[in-house]
Amino acid sequence: AQSVSQHNHHVILSEAASLELGCNYSYGGTVNLFWYVQYPGQHLQLLLKYFSGDPLVKGIKGFEAEFIKSKFSFNLRKPSVQWSDTAEYFCAVNPKFGNEKLTFGTGTRLTIIP
Amino acid sequence: EAQVTQNPRYLITVTGKKLTVTCSQNMNHEYMSWYRQDPGLGLRQIYYSMNVEVTDKGDVPEGYKVSRKEKRNFPLILESPSPNQTSLYFCASSPSGSIGGETQYFGPGTRLLVL
Repeated sequence: AQSVSQHNHHVILSEAASLELGCNYSYGGTVNLFWYVQYPGQHLQLLLKYFSGDPLVKGIKGFEAEFIKSKFSFNLRKPSVQWSDTAEYFCAVNPKFGNEKLTFGTGTRLTIIP
Repeated sequence: EAQVTQNPRYLITVTGKKLTVTCSQNMNHEYMSWYRQDPGLGLRQIYYSMNVEVTDKGDVPEGYKVSRKEKRNFPLILESPSPNQTSLYFCASSPSGSIGGETQYFGPGTRLLVL
C-alpha cells in the first residue's frame, strides 16, 4: 500500500520569502502525484499534478513541484509567497497501475505574515 | 454550475443513531469518493466508487457504508455512529472511472459531531 509523508506541519513565512514544502511517498511502483490546497473556508482544489513527462510541473498561482524518482519526493515550491497563499497544503499519491485509492499526506499549514 | 454538493453541512447526533450524508455531482463523473479530515491526520479515504454499483474500500472503511445506485449520487451511511467518527467529511468526484492522474473535485464538507 502507498503512503505519503509531509514533514513540515506548520510553516510560517514573511511575504516575498521563498517556499519549499516537502513531500515523500512510499510505493514500489509507478505513481501519480498531486498537490491540493485548502484556503480558509474554501473547498479543496488541485494546485498541480504529475503523471508523466517533464518531472518539473507548473501549477496555478505560480506554484511548481519537482518529481525526483530516486528520492521518492515531490516537493512544492514557490519563489515568492504572498499573504493570499495562507492555506493548508496536501500532497497525495495514487499508483499508476493497481488500486484506485488516493492517499493523502497529513498536510502542511502555511501562514504568511504580511 | 458544475459542482459537488453535500448535505447536511453540519450535523450533531448521538451515539448509535443511524445517519446518512448525501453527496451529489452534476458533472457526469464516474469516480466518486468519501474522505474524512482530522487534525494531524490529513485526509483519509473511506470508500470510493469507480462507477454505478462498483464500490471499494479506502484506507478507513470501518463503521461506514456506501452505495452507488445512480451515477450522480454517492451517500455515506453511518449505521451506528460513535464519537470517534466525529470529523469533517468530504465527498469528491473525478471524470473517469479510474483515479489515475485525474483531478478530484471536492464538495464543501460536512462537519459531524457524535455525542
